[in-house]
Amino acid sequence: ETGVTQSPTHLIKTRGQQVTLRCSSQSGHNTVSWYQQALGQGPQFIFQYYREEENGRGNFPPRFSGLQFPNYSSELNVNALELDDSALYLCASSSFGRAPPGELFFGEGSRLTVL
Amino acid sequence: AQSVTQPDIHITVSEGASLELRCNYSYGATPYLFWYVQSPGQGLQLLLKYFSGDTLVQGIKGFEAEFKRSQSSFNLRKPSVHWSDVAEYFCAVATSGGSYIPTFGRGTSLIVHP
Repeated sequence: ETGVTQSPTHLIKTRGQQVTLRCSSQSGHNTVSWYQQALGQGPQFIFQYYREEENGRGNFPPRFSGLQFPNYSSELNVNALELDDSALYLCASSSFGRAPPGELFFGEGSRLTVL
Repeated sequence: AQSVTQPDIHITVSEGASLELRCNYSYGATPYLFWYVQSPGQGLQLLLKYFSGDTLVQGIKGFEAEFKRSQSSFNLRKPSVHWSDVAEYFCAVATSGGSYIPTFGRGTSLIVHP
């Protein structure tokens, strides 16, 4: 069984740039969630995708956007980067309708630094 | 709205000593509760979960947690800590009011002294 994989693992951007982070879900999972984890904080929910549609969104501005593809992989896009966007971005997959709700399987994250 | 409080930012224990990490949630009905562990430089791994039934749940790596409705708590315990348990521990809650999307606490950092 393949776990959740994320790329890239680390990246550095400058303010105003755009970034795309990628995630491959665990096999058999149909839902993907993205979380932002600032240093010393717990993960904060950005959004969730199910059947290629956004299925829930946290308190993040529209410059945070996402996609889910037919193979359940996903992208997180952030436009107009700000210094406060520096964080670990975690992707988590789950099996909506086939597993208990809320049980997530996480990737190792993409560490974004904005200079 | 659902919320989680982990009152301890850091916990220091000696190797071999027992451990209890505190978690309190805010929600009117019984939520789904989780404990996740994050080793340095890693993603989060599920330790254990509570949905219903027996209020004492067993997890991986020798951890257990007890759901106490009267105290709105879901504390994590381990009888004997090992140095490899050094990590960040996160409590999370998922409820129907939050579309079953987990909300995480800020985490408790476990330090183990030899």
